[in-house]
Amino acid sequence: DAGVIQSPRHEVTEMGQEVTLRCKPISGHDYLFWYRQTMMRGLELLIYFNNNVPIDDSGMPEDRFSAKMPNASFSTLKIQPSEPRDSAVYFCASSLRTGGFEKLFFGSGTQLSVL
Amino acid sequence: AQSVAQPEDQVNVAEGNPLTVKCTYSVSGNPYLFWYVQYPNRGLQFLLKYITGDNLVKGSYGFEAEFNKSQTSFHLKKPSALVSDSALYFCAVRIYNNNDMRFGAGTRLTVKP
Repeated sequence: DAGVIQSPRHEVTEMGQEVTLRCKPISGHDYLFWYRQTMMRGLELLIYFNNNVPIDDSGMPEDRFSAKMPNASFSTLKIQPSEPRDSAVYFCASSLRTGGFEKLFFGSGTQLSVL
Repeated sequence: AQSVAQPEDQVNVAEGNPLTVKCTYSVSGNPYLFWYVQYPNRGLQFLLKYITGDNLVKGSYGFEAEFNKSQTSFHLKKPSALVSDSALYFCAVRIYNNNDMRFGAGTRLTVKP
Protein backbone atom coordinates (compact mmCIF):
# COMPACT_ATOMS: atom_id res chain seq x y z
CA ASP A 1 0.00 0.00 0.00
CA ALA A 2 1.23 3.51 -0.77
CA GLY A 3 0.29 4.83 2.64
CA VAL A 4 -1.70 7.97 3.35
CA ILE A 5 -1.38 10.35 0.43
CA GLN A 6 -1.77 14.09 0.80
CA SER A 7 -1.76 16.81 -1.80
CA PRO A 8 -0.42 19.29 -2.45
CA ARG A 9 2.88 19.00 -0.52
CA HIS A 10 3.25 22.76 -0.47
CA GLU A 11 0.68 25.51 -0.92
CA VAL A 12 1.39 29.21 -1.00
CA THR A 13 -1.58 31.51 -1.24
CA GLU A 14 -2.65 35.04 -0.48
CA MET A 15 -4.85 36.07 2.38
CA GLY A 16 -8.52 35.80 1.49
CA GLN A 17 -8.11 32.99 -1.01
CA GLU A 18 -9.75 29.59 -0.69
CA VAL A 19 -7.45 26.67 0.08
CA THR A 20 -8.31 23.00 -0.36
CA LEU A 21 -6.16 20.25 1.08
CA ARG A 22 -6.66 16.65 -0.02
CA CYS A 23 -6.14 13.27 1.58
CA LYS A 24 -6.39 9.66 0.47
CA PRO A 25 -6.35 7.29 3.46
CA ILE A 26 -5.01 3.76 3.46
CA SER A 27 -7.45 1.40 1.80
CA GLY A 28 -9.63 -0.38 4.35
CA HIS A 29 -9.06 2.09 7.16
CA ASP A 30 -12.30 3.35 8.66
CA TYR A 31 -11.01 6.33 10.64
CA LEU A 32 -9.55 9.51 9.19
CA PHE A 33 -8.05 12.37 11.16
CA TRP A 34 -6.96 15.89 10.25
CA TYR A 35 -4.21 17.45 12.39
CA ARG A 36 -2.51 20.84 12.27
CA GLN A 37 1.08 21.34 13.41
CA THR A 38 2.56 24.70 14.39
CA MET A 39 5.55 25.68 16.46
CA MET A 40 3.38 27.53 18.95
CA ARG A 41 0.60 24.98 19.45
CA GLY A 42 2.20 21.70 18.48
CA LEU A 43 0.02 18.99 16.96
CA GLU A 44 -3.70 19.69 17.22
CA LEU A 45 -6.57 17.43 16.24
CA LEU A 46 -8.98 19.36 14.03
CA ILE A 47 -11.59 16.77 13.09
CA TYR A 48 -11.99 13.05 12.61
CA PHE A 49 -14.30 10.81 10.60
CA ASN A 50 -15.54 7.27 11.11
CA ASN A 51 -16.88 5.50 8.03
CA ASN A 52 -17.00 8.86 6.22
CA VAL A 53 -19.11 10.50 8.95
CA PRO A 54 -17.67 13.43 10.95
CA ILE A 55 -17.56 12.39 14.59
CA ASP A 56 -15.83 15.23 16.39
CA ASP A 57 -15.08 18.62 14.88
CA SER A 58 -14.52 20.45 18.14
CA GLY A 59 -10.94 21.15 17.16
CA MET A 60 -11.86 23.07 14.04
CA PRO A 61 -10.74 26.60 14.86
CA GLU A 62 -13.39 28.64 13.07
CA ASP A 63 -16.23 28.54 10.61
CA ARG A 64 -13.69 29.33 7.92
CA PHE A 65 -12.58 25.70 8.22
CA SER A 66 -14.62 22.84 6.82
CA ALA A 67 -13.91 19.18 6.12
CA LYS A 68 -15.67 16.56 4.06
CA MET A 69 -15.29 12.90 3.35
CA PRO A 70 -17.51 12.03 0.37
CA ASN A 71 -16.28 8.43 0.23
CA ALA A 72 -13.95 6.02 1.98
CA SER A 73 -10.97 6.96 -0.15
CA PHE A 74 -11.02 10.74 -0.16
CA SER A 75 -11.24 13.67 2.23
CA THR A 76 -10.79 17.42 1.92
CA LEU A 77 -10.02 20.20 4.35
CA LYS A 78 -11.05 23.61 3.11
CA ILE A 79 -10.18 27.04 4.45
CA GLN A 80 -12.23 29.94 3.12
CA PRO A 81 -11.12 32.70 3.40
CA SER A 82 -7.56 31.90 4.40
CA GLU A 83 -5.58 34.07 6.83
CA PRO A 84 -1.85 34.31 7.60
CA ARG A 85 -2.40 32.66 11.00
CA ASP A 86 -3.58 29.53 9.18
CA SER A 87 0.00 28.95 8.03
CA ALA A 88 0.98 25.53 9.34
CA VAL A 89 1.62 21.95 8.33
CA TYR A 90 -1.63 20.02 7.95
CA PHE A 91 -1.49 16.27 8.40
CA CYS A 92 -4.00 13.63 7.50
CA ALA A 93 -3.89 10.28 9.29
CA SER A 94 -5.90 7.09 9.07
CA SER A 95 -6.39 4.00 11.20
CA LEU A 96 -8.32 0.79 11.49
CA ARG A 97 -10.05 1.10 14.80
CA THR A 98 -10.07 -1.83 17.17
CA GLY A 99 -10.75 -0.17 20.54
CA GLY A 100 -8.63 2.93 20.56
CA PHE A 101 -5.22 1.34 20.84
CA GLU A 102 -4.40 1.06 17.17
CA LYS A 103 -1.71 3.24 15.67
CA LEU A 104 -2.21 6.11 13.30
CA PHE A 105 -0.65 6.22 9.85
CA PHE A 106 0.25 9.76 8.84
CA GLY A 107 0.65 11.33 5.44
CA SER A 108 3.64 13.54 4.66
CA GLY A 109 1.63 16.68 5.27
CA THR A 110 0.78 19.85 3.40
CA GLN A 111 2.90 22.89 4.21
CA LEU A 112 0.51 25.86 3.93
CA SER A 113 1.79 29.41 3.75
CA VAL A 114 -0.75 32.22 3.67
CA LEU A 115 0.81 35.56 2.76
CA ALA B 1 -9.40 15.32 30.07
CA GLN B 2 -6.30 13.55 28.88
CA SER B 3 -2.95 15.18 28.26
CA VAL B 4 0.72 14.46 27.95
CA ALA B 5 3.75 16.54 28.86
CA GLN B 6 7.22 16.33 27.43
CA PRO B 7 9.31 18.41 29.79
CA GLU B 8 12.33 18.76 27.51
CA ASP B 9 12.24 20.68 24.24
CA GLN B 10 15.63 19.34 23.29
CA VAL B 11 17.81 16.37 24.21
CA ASN B 12 21.41 16.10 23.09
CA VAL B 13 23.43 12.91 23.36
CA ALA B 14 26.64 11.55 21.92
CA GLU B 15 26.52 8.65 19.51
CA GLY B 16 26.83 5.36 21.36
CA ASN B 17 25.50 6.75 24.63
CA PRO B 18 22.13 5.78 26.05
CA LEU B 19 19.26 8.18 25.48
CA THR B 20 16.06 8.97 27.35
CA VAL B 21 13.20 11.14 26.16
CA LYS B 22 10.74 11.90 28.94
CA CYS B 23 6.95 11.83 28.92
CA THR B 24 4.34 12.12 31.64
CA TYR B 25 0.62 11.75 31.19
CA SER B 26 -2.67 12.62 32.81
CA VAL B 27 -5.84 10.64 32.11
CA SER B 28 -9.03 9.77 33.93
CA GLY B 29 -9.01 6.13 32.85
CA ASN B 30 -6.55 3.47 31.78
CA PRO B 31 -4.18 4.99 29.26
CA TYR B 32 -3.03 3.79 25.90
CA LEU B 33 0.39 5.37 25.40
CA PHE B 34 2.30 5.85 22.18
CA TRP B 35 5.58 7.17 20.86
CA TYR B 36 5.88 8.58 17.36
CA VAL B 37 8.92 9.94 15.52
CA GLN B 38 8.98 12.68 12.90
CA TYR B 39 11.84 13.12 10.46
CA PRO B 40 12.21 16.40 8.53
CA ASN B 41 9.47 17.04 5.98
CA ARG B 42 7.73 13.78 6.87
CA GLY B 43 4.64 12.72 8.74
CA LEU B 44 4.77 11.07 12.13
CA GLN B 45 5.75 7.40 12.23
CA PHE B 46 4.68 4.95 14.90
CA LEU B 47 7.46 3.67 17.17
CA LEU B 48 5.76 1.71 19.94
CA LYS B 49 2.73 1.55 22.20
CA TYR B 50 1.69 0.43 25.65
CA ILE B 51 -1.73 -1.10 26.03
CA THR B 52 -1.49 -3.50 28.95
CA GLY B 53 0.82 -6.15 30.35
CA ASP B 54 4.59 -5.88 30.61
CA ASN B 55 5.63 -2.37 31.60
CA LEU B 56 8.64 -2.48 29.29
CA VAL B 57 7.60 -2.14 25.67
CA LYS B 58 9.94 -2.74 22.77
CA GLY B 59 9.46 -0.99 19.46
CA SER B 60 11.06 -0.12 16.16
CA TYR B 61 14.72 0.77 15.57
CA GLY B 62 15.84 -0.54 18.96
CA PHE B 63 13.72 1.85 21.00
CA GLU B 64 11.88 0.83 24.14
CA ALA B 65 9.70 2.58 26.67
CA GLU B 66 8.84 1.92 30.28
CA PHE B 67 5.35 2.45 31.64
CA ASN B 68 5.35 3.59 35.25
CA LYS B 69 1.85 3.90 36.66
CA SER B 70 2.84 5.38 40.01
CA GLN B 71 4.84 8.14 38.35
CA THR B 72 2.43 8.43 35.40
CA SER B 73 5.38 8.31 33.05
CA PHE B 74 6.23 6.63 29.77
CA HIS B 75 9.85 7.50 29.00
CA LEU B 76 11.40 6.50 25.69
CA LYS B 77 14.83 4.89 25.84
CA LYS B 78 17.54 3.41 23.69
CA PRO B 79 20.72 1.78 25.01
CA SER B 80 23.02 3.15 22.28
CA ALA B 81 22.08 6.20 20.22
CA LEU B 82 22.77 6.59 16.53
CA VAL B 83 23.21 9.81 14.58
CA SER B 84 20.28 8.67 12.43
CA ASP B 85 18.04 8.74 15.54
CA SER B 86 18.12 12.54 15.38
CA ALA B 87 14.49 13.61 14.91
CA LEU B 88 11.44 15.01 16.66
CA TYR B 89 9.78 12.60 19.09
CA PHE B 90 6.18 12.79 20.23
CA CYS B 91 4.48 11.07 23.12
CA ALA B 92 0.71 10.54 22.82
CA VAL B 93 -2.13 9.22 24.97
CA ARG B 94 -5.60 7.85 24.40
CA ILE B 95 -8.19 6.20 26.61
CA TYR B 96 -10.39 3.28 25.73
CA ASN B 97 -13.04 3.98 23.11
CA ASN B 98 -11.80 7.52 22.68
CA ASN B 99 -10.33 8.47 19.34
CA ASP B 100 -8.98 11.78 20.52
CA MET B 101 -5.25 11.05 20.62
CA ARG B 102 -3.47 13.83 22.49
CA PHE B 103 0.12 14.54 21.53
CA GLY B 104 2.83 16.14 23.58
CA ALA B 105 4.68 19.19 22.30
CA GLY B 106 7.53 17.08 21.03
CA THR B 107 11.20 16.69 21.98
CA ARG B 108 13.94 17.29 19.47
CA LEU B 109 16.63 14.64 19.83
CA THR B 110 20.07 15.42 18.45
CA VAL B 111 22.70 12.70 18.42
CA LYS B 112 26.20 13.99 17.77
CA PRO B 113 28.97 11.87 16.26
